[in-house]
Amino acid sequence: GAGVSQSPSNKVTEKGKDVELRCDPISGHTALYWYRQSLGQGLEFLIYFQGNSAPDKSGLPSDRFSAERTGGSVSTLTIQRTQQEDSAVYLCASSLWDSTYQETQYFGPGTRLLVL
Amino acid sequence: DQQVKQNSPSLSVQEGRISILNCDYTNSMFDYFLWYKKYPAEGPTFLISISSIKDKNEDGRFTVFLNKSAKHLSLHIVPSQPGDSAVYFCAASGEYGNKLVFGAGTILRVKS
Repeated sequence: GAGVSQSPSNKVTEKGKDVELRCDPISGHTALYWYRQSLGQGLEFLIYFQGNSAPDKSGLPSDRFSAERTGGSVSTLTIQRTQQEDSAVYLCASSLWDSTYQETQYFGPGTRLLVL
Repeated sequence: DQQVKQNSPSLSVQEGRISILNCDYTNSMFDYFLWYKKYPAEGPTFLISISSIKDKNEDGRFTVFLNKSAKHLSLHIVPSQPGDSAVYFCAASGEYGNKLVFGAGTILRVKS
């Protein structure tokens, strides 16, 4: 079956503009995650969805960042009033829910965001 | 605070030999560990995982060893192949629910 897909694959925007990044998880996966990888950095957690609810938003860097998930499937990460430090690769992952927390997350190809 | 550390930024190995990638963690609440491989311009690809109730897990050429007392895990690739050249990330979960905490990655180069 299809893996996690993300769009756009690349996005160049001007400082101060809003951007929307989209993630389509693997069909049937109830959990969805957003991470980002800034230049020269490791992957850092942003937000986690279980169904349409977000029990953990602790990684969102500021209130300019928000995310939603509809129908237990597609998720959108929105960055308002983008800043140059928002430039990064934004990665989405999905997994089957496992209450033991020992689950494997499968990643999409990422969206490369460049804020000029 | 880096809770998952990969202290070797890069590793170079001859084709056919063993590659050993290391990872240390500080949080004793972590109970599930994963290795991902990442090629440039692609997302991380899951390789292998291990639960804290085990000390070894094997899948083909890949074996992960976990030493809980030392808070150390390692990934062994035998034999190494040029196609294994990539960035390898160690990740852990358990303390914060499903959230993965990643190391900074190790660049593996397998020379033919």
